[in-house]
Amino acid sequence: GIQVEQSPPDLILQEGANSTLRCNFSDSVNNLQWFHQNPWGQLINLFYIPSGTKQNGRLSATTVATERYSLLYISSSQTTDSGVYFCAVAYSGGYQKVTFGTGTKLQVIP
Amino acid sequence: GAGVSQSPSNKVTEKGKDVELRCDPISGHTALYWYRQSLGQGLEFLIYFQGNSAPDKSGLPSDRFSAERTGGSVSTLTIQRTQQEDSAVYLCASRVQGPNNGYTFGSGTRLTVV
Repeated sequence: GIQVEQSPPDLILQEGANSTLRCNFSDSVNNLQWFHQNPWGQLINLFYIPSGTKQNGRLSATTVATERYSLLYISSSQTTDSGVYFCAVAYSGGYQKVTFGTGTKLQVIP
Repeated sequence: GAGVSQSPSNKVTEKGKDVELRCDPISGHTALYWYRQSLGQGLEFLIYFQGNSAPDKSGLPSDRFSAERTGGSVSTLTIQRTQQEDSAVYLCASRVQGPNNGYTFGSGTRLTVV
């Protein structure tokens, strides 16, 4: 099956700093989402971004499908950004079964 | 409803008992998925429903796990003879079928087998 790798696995930021999270995937996809799992376990959909670039406030994401990677940018980080960020992809040849990456655990310290 | 609803939010059960977890997807979402997340781990796919049928059950860990969906809406995940390794958060997601639609997750059911 499709492999999804995220980096870095762990990240500690000082409040106000910027960061880039990366998601590499092993095959063609037509569905890619970034999720934030907050400390209470709730998965929040950040972006649906199978290709191109999107921005939402301090967050933005870019997917280059032909090169099989996606990036999530967090600017001016806040303590509320802490949690785990997951990239999830669905294989183009399949029926939209989603495979999750292993996540990036982010801690933003004041 | 406005979101994906799961119940119960927390369940503590004794080893060997059966449990039922419920997922009520967003109205009109034909695709429904169950995932499991063990403590500190990523999300593990369990089963996918399209309407009432389950074309992919490959993620169910053993024959103690089963799921059904009725009326193209509510789904129930049943775990028989629970074991301690079944302890996890069970997450349900739904989406409108089609390649250009994202997933919405419920808040999950935290299952603890003691």
